[in-house]
Amino acid sequence: DVKVTQSSRYLVKRTGEKVFLECVQDMDHENMFWYRQDPGLGLRLIYFSYDVKMKEKGDIPEGYSVSREKKERFSLILESASTNQTSMYLCASSLSGFEAVGTEAFFGQGTRLTVV
Amino acid sequence: GQQVMQIPQYQHVQEGEDFTTYCNSSTTLSNIQWYKQRPGGHPVFLIQLVKSGEVKKQKRLTFQFGEAKKNSSLHITATQTTDVGTYFCAGPTSGTYKYIFGTGTRLKVLA
Repeated sequence: DVKVTQSSRYLVKRTGEKVFLECVQDMDHENMFWYRQDPGLGLRLIYFSYDVKMKEKGDIPEGYSVSREKKERFSLILESASTNQTSMYLCASSLSGFEAVGTEAFFGQGTRLTVV
Repeated sequence: GQQVMQIPQYQHVQEGEDFTTYCNSSTTLSNIQWYKQRPGGHPVFLIQLVKSGEVKKQKRLTFQFGEAKKNSSLHITATQTTDVGTYFCAGPTSGTYKYIFGTGTRLKVLA
């Protein structure tokens, strides 16, 4: 089974802190994603990566950055946490390919981040 | 940018009633995927549709992909309490790696 592991289930940080959310997948997937989930807004894509050291902005990248130094690890960084970044953060990974069967996303258990 | 909307946002049904959620994308999707998220859990893949007009069934669940590949639906026949959760559609915009998720439909089933 594919396993996507996020470093923390719950996190409480102070406004202005630099926050690192880590995600590791064990299935050699090319693609990795960071989403945030807020009630009524679904899952919104923050950043994604299709290869090591490659990254592209999603729909809401402001206030975030990412790092992918190794294929299995994708980190989300909040440079200066703010209260409006309080949310559930979900990491996912998938095989590459646009239409091939088997390119579904596998999610981690999520990190509920509270910024106070 | 691309938007994927789902309706309804919430649905309460009596156990045994049918349920349908609709997914509409502002742009063409190369494929459509459906996910289920149980309360307190993370999204889990249900199915993928690739071809225009495709229909797939999984027991009581029926999935359809529109002819224009811009809309899709999930229909559950005779809902059960185990169907409770939020259902999301998702897909990569044609020619990109970006998985865009719908806004989700939260289903509650009353026993």
